[in-house]
Order: sequence, then C-alpha cells, then structure tokens
Amino acid sequence: SAVISQKPSRDICQRGTSLTIQCQVDSQVTMMFWYRQQPGQSLTLIATANQGSEATYESGFVIDKFPISRPNLTFSTLTVSNMSPEDSSIYLCSVEVVGTATNGYTFGSGTRLTVV
Amino acid sequence: ELKVEQNPLFLSMQEGKNYTIYCNYSTTSDRLYWYRQDPGKSLESLFVLLSNGAVKQEGRLMASLDTKARLSTLHITAAVHDLSATYFCAVDPMDSSYKLIFGSGTRLLVRP
Repeated sequence: SAVISQKPSRDICQRGTSLTIQCQVDSQVTMMFWYRQQPGQSLTLIATANQGSEATYESGFVIDKFPISRPNLTFSTLTVSNMSPEDSSIYLCSVEVVGTATNGYTFGSGTRLTVV
Repeated sequence: ELKVEQNPLFLSMQEGKNYTIYCNYSTTSDRLYWYRQDPGKSLESLFVLLSNGAVKQEGRLMASLDTKARLSTLHITAAVHDLSATYFCAVDPMDSSYKLIFGSGTRLLVRP
C-alpha cells in the first residue's frame, strides 16, 4: 500500500493567517482526499483532489477557505485560509490506490492545527 | 445521503471481557472499512470488508459484514489494555466518488 508523508505534523497559528499542509505519496495515485477531524469528533471529508482538475468540495466547504492544489499524481496541498479558532482540528490526507478495494484507504499522519 | 451510525460511542470494559461494536449504515453498500486511531495519531487500517457475509479476524478483533441488514460488527475477544483506542467504521457509498463516510467512532477503554 502507499506511504504518505504529511507535513507539518502540528502548528500553532494566529487567527487571520493561512497554513498550507502538504502530502507526498510514494506512488502515483488518481485521487487524494482531504479530511478534517475536529476535537473529539469523527472525520469529515473536505474535498477530493484529482490531478489536472479542480478539486470537488463537500457541502459546507468552499474553495476560498480551503484551496487545494494537485500539481501531479504524487503530491497535494491543502491551505486553511484566514484561520479562526474554529479551524482548530486535525487535517488528514488520504489516498486511493490501485487495489484499494483490497488494501483499504491509507491516511497521512495528520496535521494538528491550533488557531489562537 | 449515506449515514453511518456507530454504537456505543464510549465503551469501558475490563481486561479479559468480550464486547461488540456496531456499525449501521443507511444505504446499500458492500464496502466497509474499520480503522483504529490512537490519541494524537492518524488512522490505522484494521479490516476491509467487501462482500455480504465477509468475516475477518486479526488477533483479538473480528469484523463481519451483513449487507442485507446494513450492519457491520467489530467483536473484541478477551480484551487487553493495548486495545484501548478509538475505532471507526467507514462506508463507501458506491456512488463512484470513492470517498468514505465515517461513523462517529467508538472510544474504547480497557481497564486492568
């Protein structure tokens, strides 16, 4: 299965600023997924990122707040823009690889964001 | 819209005991995943269940899937402290999006 390197692992940011989270995969993947996990909560999908096309956002998430880049088949970034304390969460990327149905989805190590 | 309900939300059990976590989902799917999350960590894949009647076992954990009942179970046998974690089920809505819909998670605490 794929190995994902996600960084930063954690950050403390001032409100009103932006943070870009990176995910690098050790193999080419068609789809990459970005999730948010608010404190004590489950995972909620933010958007799906395909290489060469605009990301597809879930209800409640907009591109202006969470712009995503997907420049190639092994890399993606998620930016959390104009942050407020409500954005304090763990952000995780996930990938779908060939054989996902057998191997399951793989997750990055997560970025723990605290906005003060 | 697919909804995934997990129960219980919190489970405190003694070492050596057995218990079952339930995962119900609202629309047809035959792809269900179980994950483990330790505090402050990412998700670790436990089981991938891909057909009705699928049963998989790893150590003290056994997962099953009943697609007709839209139900998956994660059974814990003779629990040990190392199993303390949060367990999530996640369902593929089978709508070609390939995304996963997660249950709320079950926080398991195994007491000595």
